[in-house]
Amino acid sequence: QQQVKQSPQSLIVQKGGISIINCAYENTAFDYFPWYQQFPGKGPALLIAIRPDVSEKKEGRFTISFNKSAKQFSLHIMDSQPGDSATYFCAASSLLGTYKYIFGTGTRLKVLA
Amino acid sequence: NAGVTQTPKFQVLKTGQSMTLQCAQDMNHNSMYWYRQDPGMGLRLIYYSASEGTTDKGEVPNGYNVSRLNKREFSLRLESAAPSQTSVYFCASGGSGGQETQYFGPGTRLLVL
Repeated sequence: QQQVKQSPQSLIVQKGGISIINCAYENTAFDYFPWYQQFPGKGPALLIAIRPDVSEKKEGRFTISFNKSAKQFSLHIMDSQPGDSATYFCAASSLLGTYKYIFGTGTRLKVLA
Repeated sequence: NAGVTQTPKFQVLKTGQSMTLQCAQDMNHNSMYWYRQDPGMGLRLIYYSASEGTTDKGEVPNGYNVSRLNKREFSLRLESAAPSQTSVYFCASGGSGGQETQYFGPGTRLLVL
């Protein structure tokens, strides 16, 4: 019940295309869903996050879509650029207590120039 | 403002040796976390500290110990290193008291021979 399932494991997209990464969770107590971006040799950094009171959040070219009834959320990267090539992790957390994160297994995105 | 710092950046150990990974944050966060990152497995929580003076086990605590030295510092100790502990270790802080974002350090790459 604590798992967060992430797909696909890897993704190759042409420059200018749309990258879509999906995550699913089971624990209905989760109420905070961040996405992290990690470049090789670096630590993960927060990209965008959403709470379940909204169905979509957009920041620049990055959008989270959230489906509370299906317990699924996804990251859309519009107009994908070679600089977006990185590993992306979704996570889920409960805002009660210590905000422990449960991470997905990651998606390695490569954007071809 | 350095954020989260980790030392060392890279370490090679022989099986059975011990070592301590150091982590410090200057963001006045109450909570701190230790994760390990392995290919295809995402980030898994080893231990966390919700506040100074408290520590709790995460998902994969076996073989590790932690010390929350003060509000700034949280160390991870391997008493008798095993090849299965070869991994990249990340420290993070944040994620409590209204600050749900976790900020990650640059990581420590550990190779156990």
